[in-house]
Amino acid sequence: GQQVMQIPQYQHVQEGEDFTTYCNSSTTLSNIQWYKQRPGGHPVFLIQLVKSGEVKKQKRLTFQFGEAKKNSSLHITATQTTDVGTYFCAGKHDTDKLIFGTGTRLQVFP
Amino acid sequence: NAGVTQTPKFRVLKTGQSMTLLCAQDMNHEYMYWYRQDPGMGLRLIHYSVGEGTTAKGEVPDGYNVSRLKKQNFLLGLESAAPSQTSVYFCASSYSMGLAGENEQFFGPGTRLTVL
Repeated sequence: GQQVMQIPQYQHVQEGEDFTTYCNSSTTLSNIQWYKQRPGGHPVFLIQLVKSGEVKKQKRLTFQFGEAKKNSSLHITATQTTDVGTYFCAGKHDTDKLIFGTGTRLQVFP
Repeated sequence: NAGVTQTPKFRVLKTGQSMTLLCAQDMNHEYMYWYRQDPGMGLRLIHYSVGEGTTAKGEVPDGYNVSRLKKQNFLLGLESAAPSQTSVYFCASSYSMGLAGENEQFFGPGTRLTVL
């Protein structure tokens, strides 16, 4: 079946260090979304990427969509304790359903 | 606006018991979804609905049934609960499912279900 793989599964960083999570699909995606889930909370939408090679920024967060539209990344510059949580990518293939990645859990030590 | 609400928040069932999870949204969204979240597995789609009176199967539909009698409500039923259904269940809704904007999904707070 269609899968969206996400690495790493866990990442522990010191506050101020950078963080990157990667999302890969075996097939071409129509678009990709990113969500953040705080511990004990629910997923919250961050952004959607649609175009090949698209790059979007939200303050310290940079999102990229690969040229082949099969991979994506989320990079956080100078992490803060408020960045703690699990980051999910969710890709849409030619069907109409989102397929969520397995998530990357980020822990930030002060 | 309350957004997406779910009831109950927690539930413990014995194997073989049945229950219904209720999801309600006040954003007039056409699309609604039920996911389960298990450690290391991410979010997996159980069933979804593209409008009132319609439902469709997701990735892991076995053992669950759904109904969308009213646009604002989406019910998830477990007819005979099994320990493998122990999970956190999230409901979500969206305005659309297309490529354009307004297809972000809004999630409810979740229901933590334990089946003994």
